[in-house]
Amino acid sequence: DQQVKQNSPSLSVQEGRISILNCDYTNSMFDYFLWYKKYPAEGPTFLISISSIKDKNEDGRFTVFLNKSAKHLSLHIVPSQPGDSAVYFCAASVGGSARQLTFGSGTQLTVLP
Amino acid sequence: EADIYQTPRYLVIGTGKKITLECSQTMGHDKMYWYQQDPGMELHLIHYSYGVNSTEKGDLSSESTVSRIRTEHFPLTLESARPSHTSQYLCASSRGAGQPQHFGDGTRLSIL
Repeated sequence: DQQVKQNSPSLSVQEGRISILNCDYTNSMFDYFLWYKKYPAEGPTFLISISSIKDKNEDGRFTVFLNKSAKHLSLHIVPSQPGDSAVYFCAASVGGSARQLTFGSGTQLTVLP
Repeated sequence: EADIYQTPRYLVIGTGKKITLECSQTMGHDKMYWYQQDPGMELHLIHYSYGVNSTEKGDLSSESTVSRIRTEHFPLTLESARPSHTSQYLCASSRGAGQPQHFGDGTRLSIL
């Protein structure tokens, strides 16, 4: 049973517009959430994280929103750039970032020039 | 940027062979992890280590074994490879609480 779900396998967005990637989780014990970006033939690269004590964290063009009551988080990329085209994985853990991560299956983002 | 290295990047080998996938990090991180990922699927944790001589199995059952004799080195071994072991194997490390896990570029393993 998947505890972290990314229900959209793919998303296409025009360059300059906002990309919104969504992630749902079922385990209420999760208290730390991360987003990773993965290019083909490379390992995942850490993007941004959020602790369950916050509902928003921003880093440049990337903002993560956490809605604990809905068990939902989203990643906003504004403005989207062609170099953002990659697979984005949502991950969650219990007890902090160094603990075991539970990953979603990823969303392929394509930013069209 | 994290310095974590995996070798080989690609390996195609016959059934029954013994395989060791190497993972090394130069950051002095205590915590290291092995994940397995099939195409289009989520990463699954198969092994982790919180320090030298400490290893634990992850959520996904795996026939592989690991060792952690040195902080910087966390090799994964398959004693007798089978086609069902065909997958991508990703190694990661972390400094600790509040710090994200950093990944290597993975080993894509194909067992014929």
